[in-house]
Amino acid sequence: DAGITQSPRHKVTETGTPVTLRCHQTENHRYMYWYRQDPGHGLRLIHYSYGVKDTDKGEVSDGYSVSRSKTEDFLLTLESATSSQTSVYFCAISERGVNTEAFFGQGTRLTVV
Amino acid sequence: AQKITQTQPGMFVQEKEAVTLDCTYDTSDQSYGLFWYKQPSSGEMIFLIYQGSYDEQNATEGRYSLNFQKARKSANLVISASQLGDSAMYFCAMRALMTGGNQFYFGTGTSLTVIP
Repeated sequence: DAGITQSPRHKVTETGTPVTLRCHQTENHRYMYWYRQDPGHGLRLIHYSYGVKDTDKGEVSDGYSVSRSKTEDFLLTLESATSSQTSVYFCAISERGVNTEAFFGQGTRLTVV
Repeated sequence: AQKITQTQPGMFVQEKEAVTLDCTYDTSDQSYGLFWYKQPSSGEMIFLIYQGSYDEQNATEGRYSLNFQKARKSANLVISASQLGDSAMYFCAMRALMTGGNQFYFGTGTSLTVIP
């Protein structure tokens, strides 16, 4: 199994509070991704990174920011959590190339109350 | 723009029968990859099978095969001899480098239930 760990695995937070989710990999893969999964929507990309300090937005990036100061860590921050950000968040890693699959973390279930 | 479409929200199959899960895609790239993932009720995402756009033969991995029809832009997953453990969500995904920015684009998924 690919070495990819998400923390925390579960979190309940209040509306308006900042939240940071962490993704840690031991595979030295260049690409890291944050997705959210919601019923009926599949997995939607929030942000991704193609190297240290190199990040770009995905299709649902509003309200989220990311940082990657080390190859192994990719942080997702909800600046001010809203109920619409209640979701399951997945981190994924990959090497470059269309023939390389993404490896996923176990997911973080975030509930904003 | 890249897009993946899975039109079957839910599917049922009898144990030991074969089932086909549909996936169509849209991209202007010539080089791209197509992937299928399984998500059981426990929530983890499991990679099943990969097909490259230049591959002339359909990919196979054990009981999984990918029916790749490039002209129709379809990449259907075929599961043979279904087992109870195949009950899960299945996601089709695509990766394109030129216009796709190295992202993985996912469909909305198909929930498969295997009936004993």
